[in-house]
Amino acid sequence: LAKTTQPISMDSYEGQEVNITCSHNNIATNDYITWYQQFPSQGPRFIIQGYKTKVTNEVASLFIPADRKSSTLSLPRVSLSDTAVYYCLVGWRGGGNKLTFGTGTQLKVEL
Amino acid sequence: EAGVAQSPRYKIIEKRQSVAFWCNPISGHATLYWYQQILGQGPKLLIQFQNNGVVDDSQLPKDRFSAERLKGVDSTLKIQPAKLEDSAVYLCASVPGQNTEAFFGQGTRLTVV
Repeated sequence: LAKTTQPISMDSYEGQEVNITCSHNNIATNDYITWYQQFPSQGPRFIIQGYKTKVTNEVASLFIPADRKSSTLSLPRVSLSDTAVYYCLVGWRGGGNKLTFGTGTQLKVEL
Repeated sequence: EAGVAQSPRYKIIEKRQSVAFWCNPISGHATLYWYQQILGQGPKLLIQFQNNGVVDDSQLPKDRFSAERLKGVDSTLKIQPAKLEDSAVYLCASVPGQNTEAFFGQGTRLTVV
C-alpha cells in the first residue's frame, strides 16, 4: 500500500481558500486518491476521490499532477465549520478496498 | 437512507473485564470494517469483512479481540480481557460492492479504567 505524508496541522481564516497537500511517492497504477473529513466525536466522512488531473464537487476540488506522486485538496472559502481533520488515502478502487488512514491534517479555521 | 448504526455510544469498564460492540451496516453493503482510533491518531484498521468472510485481520490482537459478521449483515467486536491501552473509539464502516466511498458510524467510545 502506498504510504501518504501530510502536514500535521494547518491554520486558516474564514473566507480563505485552503490547500492541503498529500505526498504519495509509491502510488500504484491502479490506485485512486481519496480524501476524508473527520469532526470530533464523529466517524470520517468521504469528501472527494480522483485518479488524475482535477476533480471538483460541491464541497472541494482535488488536483493531481501528471506523475500522481502528490495530490492537493482545495477547500474554497472555508468557514469555522470546516475545522476538522482531513485524511488522504491511496488505494485500489473496487469492492473490498483496504482503507488505510494516516495521521491526517488538523485544519483550524478562525474568524 | 439509514446510516451505519453502532451501539453503545459510550462504555466504561474496568481492566480485565470483557466488552462487546455492535454494528449494523447500511443495507446491501458487502464490505464491513472495524477500526480503532486512539485519541490524536488516525483510525487503525482492525478487521475487514467481505460479506461474512474475513478479508484482513492482520492487525487484530487475536489474543484478546474477536469479531464476527454472521449472515453477512450485522457485526460484533469483542474484547476479552480489556487492557488500559484499549481505551479508544471503535468505528465501524461499510462500503457498497463496487465503490470505495466508506460510510462510517459515529463510533463507540471505550474507556478502560
